Amino acid sequence: KAGVTQTPRYLIKTRGQQVTLSCSPISGHRSVSWYQQTPGQGLQFLFEYFSETQRNKGNFPGRFSGRQFSNSRSEMNVSTLELGDSALYLCASSPRNTMNTEAFFGQGTRLTVV
Amino acid sequence: DAKTTQPNSMESNEEEPVHLPCNHSTISGTDYIHWYRQLPSQGPEYVIHGLTSNVNNRMASLAIAEDRKSSTLILHRATLRDAAVYYCILRRTNTGNQFYFGTGTSLTVIP
Repeated sequence: KAGVTQTPRYLIKTRGQQVTLSCSPISGHRSVSWYQQTPGQGLQFLFEYFSETQRNKGNFPGRFSGRQFSNSRSEMNVSTLELGDSALYLCASSPRNTMNTEAFFGQGTRLTVV
Repeated sequence: DAKTTQPNSMESNEEEPVHLPCNHSTISGTDYIHWYRQLPSQGPEYVIHGLTSNVNNRMASLAIAEDRKSSTLILHRATLRDAAVYYCILRRTNTGNQFYFGTGTSLTVIP
């Protein structure tokens, strides 16, 4: 069974540009959540989608957005990139809408803003 | 956010048991206790989770205090591959499927 796939693995963008990251969850998983990891702030929750609906959003500015498609694949978009957006972006998928289940994380996309 | 408290770092000798503590005094009755670990340059990896009873799997054991205000992750024989940051997380029923990570415990395994 294939794991969670995130593309691209590495990305370099210029300040002011926008970027789209992709996450393909494990087949059959309907919940996808996104996290930002930086040395200073650690792992922070961005947003979560279940069956194409955003259920929860973390404390990030509106420049961060996402969506989920009918096949459960998810994308997140960051517009008007800032240097502080440099981070490892992780997505996680879960099979069900319940707390009694494990989540599976991808390897992440390393975004560097210059 | 559901708050957990863990020591910043711990050390263990290889092939010895490791007990990683976690305090979660604000836990509510329906909160699940999850443990994940993150190896360098990788995404977090599921270790174990439980609600009230102690749990065992191939990776570890989870001991949950009777009042549920604390728990301990037990690695029975630490190996060098167990060196990672271990996160103890409470997942609350009414907050969706996301995790709120704390700072975790960085485990060093000494050969």
